[in-house]
Amino acid sequence: NAGVMQNPRHLVRRRGQEARLRCSPMKGHSHVYWYRQLPEEGLKFMVYLQKENIIDESGMPKERFSAEFPKEGPSILRIQQVVRGDSAAYFCASSPIDGTGSTEAFFGQGTRLTVV
Amino acid sequence: GDSVTQMEGPVTLSEEAFLTINCTYTATGYPSLFWYVQYPGEGLQLLLKATKADDKGSNKGFEATYRKETTSFHLEKGSVQVSDSAVYFCALKGGGADGLTFGKGTHLIIQP
Repeated sequence: NAGVMQNPRHLVRRRGQEARLRCSPMKGHSHVYWYRQLPEEGLKFMVYLQKENIIDESGMPKERFSAEFPKEGPSILRIQQVVRGDSAAYFCASSPIDGTGSTEAFFGQGTRLTVV
Repeated sequence: GDSVTQMEGPVTLSEEAFLTINCTYTATGYPSLFWYVQYPGEGLQLLLKATKADDKGSNKGFEATYRKETTSFHLEKGSVQVSDSAVYFCALKGGGADGLTFGKGTHLIIQP
């Protein structure tokens, strides 16, 4: 059973370009979470999705950021018109169910975005 | 809102030393508590967890006890190894929250 797969591992974008980060959850997992890790900081929750639904996007910046988790295919975190401050590591996590605090979330290896 | 505070790093120890990494939290209700470890260039791995007061989570020689009276979840290990060098994150999941709330992480360096 493959773990949570994120790609690309490293992504370099020029200011103003778009960044697309992909996350394939573990087999059988229908809950996906995106987190951002700024340098020297902990992970910050961004968005929680189930298949075809955004459940909680309270941690997402209001502009330029969007996320989806279609019925088929990976979850996508999209950042439009990137700026230098978007440079960070973006982690995806998945879990089989939610609603209980003890449910373990499995993390991917992350995508390190560098905006130049 | 929920928050997690953990000791600043880096923490540098010699091999076989005793380790404590402090973690305290603020949350409404009764959160679940976690310690995650991040090795260089890797994603986070769950190290241990506790879901209610006085529970002790343990794994790979690491332990942490959920102390509701002091709102703490300190990580301990009796004898650290060089391979334990990593960044350790304390985290909580509140009853009404969808995501985990993380501390800033503590970089642990073990010298031979």
